[in-house]
Amino acid sequence: AQSVSQHNHHVILSEAASLELGCNYSYGGTVNLFWYVQYPGQHLQLLLKYFSGDPLVKGIKGFEAEFIKSKFSFNLRKPSVQWSDTAEYFCAVNVLNTGGFKTIFGAGTRLFVKA
Amino acid sequence: KAGVTQTPRYLIKTRGQQVTLSCSPISGHRSVSWYQQTPGQGLQFLFEYFSETQRNKGNFPGRFSGRQFSNSRSEMNVSTLELGDSALYLCASSFGGDTQYFGPGTRLTVL
Repeated sequence: AQSVSQHNHHVILSEAASLELGCNYSYGGTVNLFWYVQYPGQHLQLLLKYFSGDPLVKGIKGFEAEFIKSKFSFNLRKPSVQWSDTAEYFCAVNVLNTGGFKTIFGAGTRLFVKA
Repeated sequence: KAGVTQTPRYLIKTRGQQVTLSCSPISGHRSVSWYQQTPGQGLQFLFEYFSETQRNKGNFPGRFSGRQFSNSRSEMNVSTLELGDSALYLCASSFGGDTQYFGPGTRLTVL
């Protein structure tokens, strides 16, 4: 069965620290990959996505993610976090099967950035 | 463009009742997916509709059902509510089923 694993459930960083959130998936076929973010009191928003091409993708607010096919990974990075990055981050994999697209989410990582 | 809207935003029901949640997708989007979000289980996929047809279904009991109308609006129904059905129910729309745009959710509390 397809699954998505996010390595850290809670991360606490100080402002200006670098961030890397791990994400691994299990699916042997073609996938589309996403990171979504949920700020406190707001709904899920798309941070970035990878469909094909350059495996290093850039998203909003200075976030980027690298797709490493051999490792089935899609880690999220940001060189210098801000207090406003405090949120929950979800990695998601979109697979195409006979029934159409199906999106599987990881359990989420809660990031708290100390001012 | 207006975003995905969900009604109602909050709902309180008692065990054994049924509930219907509504979702209006972004204009032009034909795919609507539903998710259940809980602190313990995260985001769990319920089902996806595309052009009024259910294309994909998650691992939820038959008490959870849905439908999509010709204008792409979708409804989700839960019958014989249980305490464990308390959750945030999210609707997401997309043009073809890949990149999804989420609504604010309906917070269901079952007493």
